[in-house]
Amino acid sequence: GENVEQHPSTLSVQEGDSAVIKCTYSDSASNYFPWYKQELGKRPQLIIDIRSNVGEKKDQRIAVTLNKTAKHFSLHITETQPEDSAVYFCAASLNFGNEKLTFGTGTRLTIIP
Amino acid sequence: NAGVMQNPRHLVRRRGQEARLRCSPMKGHSHVYWYRQLPEEGLKFMVYLQKENIIDESGMPKERFSAEFPKEGPSILRIQQVVRGDSAAYFCASSPPRGQGEKLFFGSGTQLSVL
Repeated sequence: GENVEQHPSTLSVQEGDSAVIKCTYSDSASNYFPWYKQELGKRPQLIIDIRSNVGEKKDQRIAVTLNKTAKHFSLHITETQPEDSAVYFCAASLNFGNEKLTFGTGTRLTIIP
Repeated sequence: NAGVMQNPRHLVRRRGQEARLRCSPMKGHSHVYWYRQLPEEGLKFMVYLQKENIIDESGMPKERFSAEFPKEGPSILRIQQVVRGDSAAYFCASSPPRGQGEKLFFGSGTQLSVL
């Protein structure tokens, strides 16, 4: 089955700087890669996603890149703000999401004011 | 659209009791997924259901755990004879039918505590 690895497990950045979180996946058939943000005690919330026919996607301060050959994808947050502090999870699935998501182990991002 | 609704938010059970967790998917969504999250860990897939069908239960423990999504009513995750190791947050998610979008939306979860 699919295996998703995520790094780093914790990340601290100064407010205003950029944060990058990286994930690798094992199943070359995976074609959908969402990112979720989870604040303490709350539900995971979808913040951005990318399909395998696209190499990069951007939504305001958040961007995701995908390298299908290397089987890795990354989340980039620019101009970080205190409210970006949370745990971020990457995930991968087949069939563009209408199959189970396999999650990474999460990155705890702390923005230092 | 009320979003994915889970209840109860918190459930306390003693060892050996049964736990029933409920999930109502978003309106128009026909796929339901259950995930378990242990403290400081990621979400682990348990089961994927469509109405009246279990599509993938590869993440479900073989004993004590069962799930259903009846034609009418919410999806139910049932844990019989709970043990302390079952203590976790259980999240339900739903998505539209295939071909109508792939995004998975999560409920607020049920925090199960086994005493």
